[in-house]
Amino acid sequence: GQSLEQPSEVTAVEGAIVQINCTYQTSGFYGLSWYQQHDGGAPTFLSYNALDGLEETGRFSSFLSRSDSYGYLLLQELQMKDSASYFCAVSPGYQGGKLIFGQGTELSVKP
Amino acid sequence: EPEVTQTPSHQVTQMGQEVILRCVPISNHLYFYWYRQILGQKVEFLVSFYNNEISEKSEIFDDQFSVERPDGSNFTLKIRSTKLEDSAMYFCASSEAGTSGSGETQYFGPGTRLLVL
Repeated sequence: GQSLEQPSEVTAVEGAIVQINCTYQTSGFYGLSWYQQHDGGAPTFLSYNALDGLEETGRFSSFLSRSDSYGYLLLQELQMKDSASYFCAVSPGYQGGKLIFGQGTELSVKP
Repeated sequence: EPEVTQTPSHQVTQMGQEVILRCVPISNHLYFYWYRQILGQKVEFLVSFYNNEISEKSEIFDDQFSVERPDGSNFTLKIRSTKLEDSAMYFCASSEAGTSGSGETQYFGPGTRLLVL
């Protein structure tokens, strides 16, 4: 089977740092992506890890440990506009490149 | 910046009716996808399409569903006989290449919210 686990909700204050974890169990793994979704709108790509380690893109960083089937998204200097749902998604690697999404983590940023 | 577009933004239909959801992927992209998201739930893969044929489909994508690329720009999802449980947001996505280890990003359209009554 295919399963991804991430917390359902996270709350943090403006300016803080928050980490959203994702553990996965999938048949086939090529990489882990992170997407942001505001109010049911289009999922927007944030980051992708295919190899172990940390990828940094501005205020957002993503980490992957393939041996632990684990990754996280780190958001720094939180802003109110970061309030959204964040999804981890696995690329199992089949031809056509589908994404398998987690249930999503709703991040609420408070003033 | 190029983007994926979808029409209509909202569609209300009666159970048993056929609907066609339309998408215009980013012009130089080669892989196309449909996903759906039932309200409050995760995004679920339906089908991927490459070189004018289906690459992969999920168990959700049964005989009631079909996809087509009728011309060089449009990519459509047809639901032949809608059911109440087909009510969801349907997202189209495209990528330059498959994500099989290449890290190619999938770009999502704004979605079509389908309501089946």
